[in-house]
Amino acid sequence: AQSVTQLDSQVPVFEEAPVELRCNYSSSVSVYLFWYVQYPNQGLQLLLKYLSGSTLVKGINGFEAEFNKSQTSFHLRKPSVHISDTAEYFCAVSVPLNYGGATNKLIFGTGTLLAVQP
Amino acid sequence: DAGITQSPRHKVTETGTPVTLRCHQTENHRYMYWYRQDPGHGLRLIHYSYGVKDTDKGEVSDGYSVSRSKTEDFLLTLESATSSQTSVYFCAISPGTSGNLEQYFGPGTRLTVT
Repeated sequence: AQSVTQLDSQVPVFEEAPVELRCNYSSSVSVYLFWYVQYPNQGLQLLLKYLSGSTLVKGINGFEAEFNKSQTSFHLRKPSVHISDTAEYFCAVSVPLNYGGATNKLIFGTGTLLAVQP
Repeated sequence: DAGITQSPRHKVTETGTPVTLRCHQTENHRYMYWYRQDPGHGLRLIHYSYGVKDTDKGEVSDGYSVSRSKTEDFLLTLESATSSQTSVYFCAISPGTSGNLEQYFGPGTRLTVT
């Protein structure tokens, strides 16, 4: 069965420090991976995606992620965080909803709260 | 901006009452989804639609029904609300590009069942 694991429920970090949010996935089909960000009381915003091609993916707000097939990971990184990056981050994998794969759904991890401190 | 609105944004209701949440999109996307978000669970799929009158169940569909009579509207109904359905509900659309792999989310509806 497909699944996504975000081991860290909360990551505290000081402003301007680098950060890495970890995501591991389990999928028996082609892998399509996503990171979403959720600011307080808002919906989820797509941060970046890996569909194919280069394993290093760049997203919005200076974030990037690296797809590592051998380690089944898709960790999110930012070299220098800002207070405004404080939010919850969700990793997700897209999988077919039914045989034939005409429709997909997202399976989400439980989220990591990035808490940036001054 | 994916052009998705949800209404109401907040609702408090009593156990046993019916509740309908509305998702409206402005860009005629074929695929629409309803998820619920609960602490420790991330988001879980309730129902989805792949066209007008074409809907199917997700992983947590018990107690919920949906309808899609127009491309732009996807309704989620709790026939008889229970306290376990207290949650934040998100609607999502898939633009159909990249094999409808990516999804874009609405602002959410916070539902409290007392």
